[in-house]
Amino acid sequence: QVQLVQSGSELKKSGASVKVSCKASGYTFTTYSINWVRQAPGQRPEWMGWINTNTGNPTYAQGFSGRFVFSLDTSVSTAYLQISSLKAEDTAVYYCARDHMPWDVWGTGTTVTVSS
Amino acid sequence: SYELTQTPSVSVSPGQTASITCSGDRLGDKYASWYQQKPGQSPVLVIYEDKKRPSGIPERFSGSNSGNSATLTISGTQLMDEADYYCQAYDRNTVVFGGGTKLTVL
Repeated sequence: QVQLVQSGSELKKSGASVKVSCKASGYTFTTYSINWVRQAPGQRPEWMGWINTNTGNPTYAQGFSGRFVFSLDTSVSTAYLQISSLKAEDTAVYYCARDHMPWDVWGTGTTVTVSS
Repeated sequence: SYELTQTPSVSVSPGQTASITCSGDRLGDKYASWYQQKPGQSPVLVIYEDKKRPSGIPERFSGSNSGNSATLTISGTQLMDEADYYCQAYDRNTVVFGGGTKLTVL
């Protein structure tokens, strides 16, 4: 079945970097773009942007440029989110979501906790 | 920037109808989607393009959208429907989510 499986929880120090993976299965990876979403504890989902899985071209939402980088490895049907110079306010669950209907499949979620 | 506003909480008795609204400027001119999120789980799409149900979503979930408001209606609400519900819309190539509505079934 169609699924997006994300990497496990991460505990990082302020200033460090983290890379979250989102592995797709059950469909042709390059058919649909991938969105990234941040959900801080008790908050609404917040759209971070998307990456075109055909061209690799990323689009970042306002407030998510600079420290945030979307990338792909199409050979293993995987999208990545890298966050550098982590801050306490980056503590959240990060989701990937397939861009279809509009977002019909979400990843399993990756909890990133940033401690000082 | 575009904003979507939802009532923070709605309570309903089992078997009754729950209505959850989402308000935004000229929201009826855009497509609204709805997601259900249970504690500790990923969101699940329950309504897209205002009123369409993805495969596997029960018929008791329905949607409408006109003017400045979109509505998610759950007919014959069941205990398993207790969750947070978020509306979503696109505005000028930006994706926006509502603040969420906690549906309590009691």
